[in-house]
Amino acid sequence: GQNIDQPTEMTATEGAIVQINCTYQTSGFNGLFWYQQHAGEAPTFLSYNVLDGLEEKGRFSSFLSRSKGYSYLLLKELQMKDSASYLCAVSRSYSGAGSYQLTFGKGTKLSVIP
Amino acid sequence: DGGITQSPKYLFRKEGQNVTLSCEQNLNHDAMYWYRQDPGQGLRLIYYSQIVNDFQKGDIAEGYSVSREKKESFPLTVTSAQKNPTAFYLCASSRQGDKPQHFGDGTRLSIL
Repeated sequence: GQNIDQPTEMTATEGAIVQINCTYQTSGFNGLFWYQQHAGEAPTFLSYNVLDGLEEKGRFSSFLSRSKGYSYLLLKELQMKDSASYLCAVSRSYSGAGSYQLTFGKGTKLSVIP
Repeated sequence: DGGITQSPKYLFRKEGQNVTLSCEQNLNHDAMYWYRQDPGQGLRLIYYSQIVNDFQKGDIAEGYSVSREKKESFPLTVTSAQKNPTAFYLCASSRQGDKPQHFGDGTRLSIL
C-alpha cells in the first residue's frame, strides 16, 4: 500500500523561513510533486523532484531523499499570500512503462502571521 | 490562453439523480484525471485516462462513470449509486503520466 504523511497545520511569521516535511512509503516510486492550494481554489504546481537533492525555484525549494522516503518544501521570505495548503504528491509507476499515478497527502495548512 | 475548464462551478443534485460534470482542456494533453476532495482530506483519484477511448479506475471509482471520446474532453458522471457525493471535484491533465498535472477550477457538488 501507500502512505504519505505531512503535518496538518503550521504557523509562521511574515519574512521568516518555514520547512514543510513529507514522508512516504510506496512501491514503484517515480518522483514527488509539491502543489499549493489556496482555500476554495484548485492546486497549482510548485515543484517536482525525481533525483535526490535540492531543487531551487525563487523563494521555494524542494528536497528529496529517495532512500529515506523523505521530502521537504522550504519557503523563504514568507509573505501573507503564502497562506495556503501545501500538498505533497507521490508519483508511482505501475503495470508497465508509461503508466503513472499520483497519490496525494492530506496537505499542510500554512498560516502566515504578521 | 490554454487551460482546463470545468463546469458548472456549483452543482446541486437531488436524491436518485445522475449528474455530469464537464471537463475540457485545450492544452493538447494526453492524460486526464478526476479527483475528489473532502474537507481536511487530500485529493483522491476517481478515474484517469492516458489516451482517447481508454480509462482506468482510481481508488474510489464506485458510483462514478467517465468517457473519453475526444482528447479534449473527460466528463464525469456521478450516479445515484454514489451515496455521499457532496465534495469538491477537480479535473486535471498532463502531457504524459509523469509530468505535472494542471488543474481546473473545480466543481462543488451538493445534495438537495
